[in-house]
Amino acid sequence: AQSVTQLGSHVSVSEGALVLLRCNYSSSVPPYLFWYVQYPNQGLQLLLKYTTGATLVKGINGFEAEFKKSETSFHLTKPSAHMSDAAEYFCAVSGGNTPLVFGKGTRLSVIA
Amino acid sequence: DVKVTQSSRYLVKRTGEKVFLECVQDMDHENMFWYRQDPGLGLRLIYFSYDVKMKEKGDIPEGYSVSREKKERFSLILESASTNQTSMYLCATRYSNQPQHFGDGTRLSIL
Repeated sequence: AQSVTQLGSHVSVSEGALVLLRCNYSSSVPPYLFWYVQYPNQGLQLLLKYTTGATLVKGINGFEAEFKKSETSFHLTKPSAHMSDAAEYFCAVSGGNTPLVFGKGTRLSVIA
Repeated sequence: DVKVTQSSRYLVKRTGEKVFLECVQDMDHENMFWYRQDPGLGLRLIYFSYDVKMKEKGDIPEGYSVSREKKERFSLILESASTNQTSMYLCATRYSNQPQHFGDGTRLSIL
């Protein structure tokens, strides 16, 4: 079985500041990990994924995440926030060909 | 790009009505999923399907059923709609262990 915990339902950063969204997972098998972004009134868009191999994963829009097995974490970062990054972000885990299990989401606000 | 089309963006129905939410994909993916999204609860899996005429219960199947008569179409059915089924419904598809692709969602209100 898999589960995801996203720390912080709402994160607020200044434009140009570092973005850090936290995700911890639990999985009884080697995990596949994902970050999705949702803009208002839209579906979810894939930001990045980790399956196997390199633990530092780069995604779209300048985001990246690092898989740390010892910490069971997959935190999402971006060096410099833009106003357009304001959205809701979801971390998800699966055991391969099983349905994704999602965290409850983190709403990111970017202050000018 | 994968295209996942949900038949309605907004839908208003009355308590007790039978409601159909339709989802169509254009990529011949075997796997299809229905989630509901509520504030503070994230996405919760209702039903999924690995192939035509196959279905599996997710975490919250009560009050819902599904139909998959053709590979590209996966329907979610609310047998007798209730106000606690007011929510955003999201359909997704997936090929093997690749990421899921989502439709734009249907915001359903039950009055």
